[in-house]
Amino acid sequence: DVKVTQSSRYLVKRTGEKVFLECVQDMDHENMFWYRQDPGLGLRLIYFSYDVKMKEKGDIPEGYSVSREKKERFSLILESASTNQTSMYLCAVPGTGGDYSNQPQHFGDGTRLSIL
Amino acid sequence: GIQVEQSPPDLILQEGANSTLRCNFSDSVNNLQWFHQNPWGQLINLFYIPSGTKQNGRLSATTVATERYSLLYISSSQTTDSGVYFCAVKSTSGTYKYIFGTGTRLKVLA
Repeated sequence: DVKVTQSSRYLVKRTGEKVFLECVQDMDHENMFWYRQDPGLGLRLIYFSYDVKMKEKGDIPEGYSVSREKKERFSLILESASTNQTSMYLCAVPGTGGDYSNQPQHFGDGTRLSIL
Repeated sequence: GIQVEQSPPDLILQEGANSTLRCNFSDSVNNLQWFHQNPWGQLINLFYIPSGTKQNGRLSATTVATERYSLLYISSSQTTDSGVYFCAVKSTSGTYKYIFGTGTRLKVLA
């Protein structure tokens, strides 16, 4: 099965800092996703990557950027952290086999990020 | 874009009770998943069910794609079932994106 590893479960940073959230997958998958989760809003897609150095904006990309230099690693970057970016961040990778667009998504354990 | 609505938003059950969670979606889908998010924030795949019925222990799910809804059944609920249940769908319109509902928060009391 797909294993998705996020580098930190909990992270506390200060306003204005540059913050890196890392996600690593073990299945050599082209597609990787970053979501944020906020109470009452469900999960919202920030960015999507469909191959190394390839990315697309999701629904809420403002204030974020991403990096995909290697296939197994997808990084979410908060260029200048703000308090409204305090949230739970989740990385996801589709399952294996066949048409990737129709595979179930598998999530990492999430990173609870607090911006003070 | 496609809209996903889950009901009820909150549910409190006594241990041993049964429950049905509903997910309505506004467009045709080719992909639907149910997730359980435990109190530690981990999202666990429950079912990948774009159509039909599946069962896994005390949980089962049914998706009626033509009528644009899915149901998650929890029987003989246990305190470990507490958490938030999310439905996520992917539209047939060709997008890669999953759209998540806002979830049903379930609390099972001992």
